[in-house]
Amino acid sequence: QSVLTQPPSVSAAPGQKVTISCSGTSSNIGNNYVSWYQQLPGIAPKLLIYENDKRPSGIPDRFSGSKSGTSATLGITGLQTGDEADYYCGTWDGRLIVVFGGGTKLTVL
Amino acid sequence: EVQLLESGGGLVQPGGSLRLSCAASGFMFGYSAMMWVRQAPGRGLEWVSIISDTGDKKYYTDSVKGRFTISRDNSENTLYLHMNTLRAEDTAVYYCAKGRGATWSHLHFDYWGQGALVTVSS
Repeated sequence: QSVLTQPPSVSAAPGQKVTISCSGTSSNIGNNYVSWYQQLPGIAPKLLIYENDKRPSGIPDRFSGSKSGTSATLGITGLQTGDEADYYCGTWDGRLIVVFGGGTKLTVL
Repeated sequence: EVQLLESGGGLVQPGGSLRLSCAASGFMFGYSAMMWVRQAPGRGLEWVSIISDTGDKKYYTDSVKGRFTISRDNSENTLYLHMNTLRAEDTAVYYCAKGRGATWSHLHFDYWGQGALVTVSS
């Protein structure tokens, strides 16, 4: 069981918007920055969002992140079939460990 | 161009040992924390271990404490994971990843290797 809680799956139609939640505690999300990773099938994860809401160079602004209290949210607008992937949140935990969510499978219908 | 290339994976019997390597290039290796993450077949990401830029701080997930050792050679730009007393549940693809962030609190991982498969089976 993962330390951070994500919904197992989300789905939406092409062009629509979807949000993925990530819930933690004061030990992790509540006092540290959250990052998000995209894992396309059979490929290594890729950084999408860091420090809650920052996008690395090359990540389109269709991807956004936010954090409030002990929860974080990844938003994806203008969904494309190429966005079908597993998405993971991650953060540092005060117990001196890195923690990830269990992952959310995005299906673009 | 940043590159992380894992090697050393393979089939090992339960109770056996294996050493993974991650050869880094394209960035200042000695200034980056580095992490190992694994992914069992059909499962999510599981953090395994992290080492600070100088190697003086090392942290592990509970399930590998006392069995796995993370280390690095900054002169060779290489990260290692020494795995002993391997169990079937250690079977996974192991990724190395480059850390970035002003403090542990800001930590995120901006580059990942392609992964090395470790299979523990008799």
